[in-house]
Amino acid sequence: QKEVEQNSGPLSVPEGAIASLNCTYSDRGSQSFFWYRQYSGKSPELIMFIYSNGDKEDGRFTAQLNKASQYVSLLIRDSQPSDSATYLCAVTGGRRALTFGSGTRLQVQP
Amino acid sequence: EAGVTQFPSHSVIEKGQTVTLRCDPISGHDNLYWYRRVMGKEIKFLLHFVKESKQDESGMPNNRFLAERTGGTYSTLKVQPAELEDSGVYFCASSPNPGTDNEQFFGPGTRLTVL
Repeated sequence: QKEVEQNSGPLSVPEGAIASLNCTYSDRGSQSFFWYRQYSGKSPELIMFIYSNGDKEDGRFTAQLNKASQYVSLLIRDSQPSDSATYLCAVTGGRRALTFGSGTRLQVQP
Repeated sequence: EAGVTQFPSHSVIEKGQTVTLRCDPISGHDNLYWYRRVMGKEIKFLLHFVKESKQDESGMPNNRFLAERTGGTYSTLKVQPAELEDSGVYFCASSPNPGTDNEQFFGPGTRLTVL
């Protein structure tokens, strides 16, 4: 079992819709949770992080964390073609190193 | 503010040769990380520096890899001798300290191809 699991996709949504990206993790000791966006051939770019159960909103992005279910998600409202990218879920536990999932490719159709 | 920079952007070498990758973190960031993504796999942690000290090198694959951060500024990652399986994209990231949020900012990566 991978430590951080993501559906590889592609997840295809129409422009203006809500994109929902999901991630599960195996280590119950995980403390911090991050969503990175990576355009093809580019570096990962941090878009959200969350530590506490519940929701955290930043503009069109909402991160949701459920530690009991070991589940973290990212919602993107009013999806735009420019949101088309690979979204990486990452977690940290007692050490600062990030453990990444393999990423979900999002395609927003104009 | 300049971001994390890495050099070179691409490197093509033959098996058995040596390659040195360089990372310049964001100025003032004490934490520096190396990660690697091999084809078709997820990004994997290699090691973590706090200033010039190796805090965590549990991800280093073997003793062909040597990382240094003399003076606590830029870092180098040397692969000697390179093997085919070392091909991939090597990312460097940095974060401030004491940064409780542990927000890591990534560089553009070095794409290493070993032939």
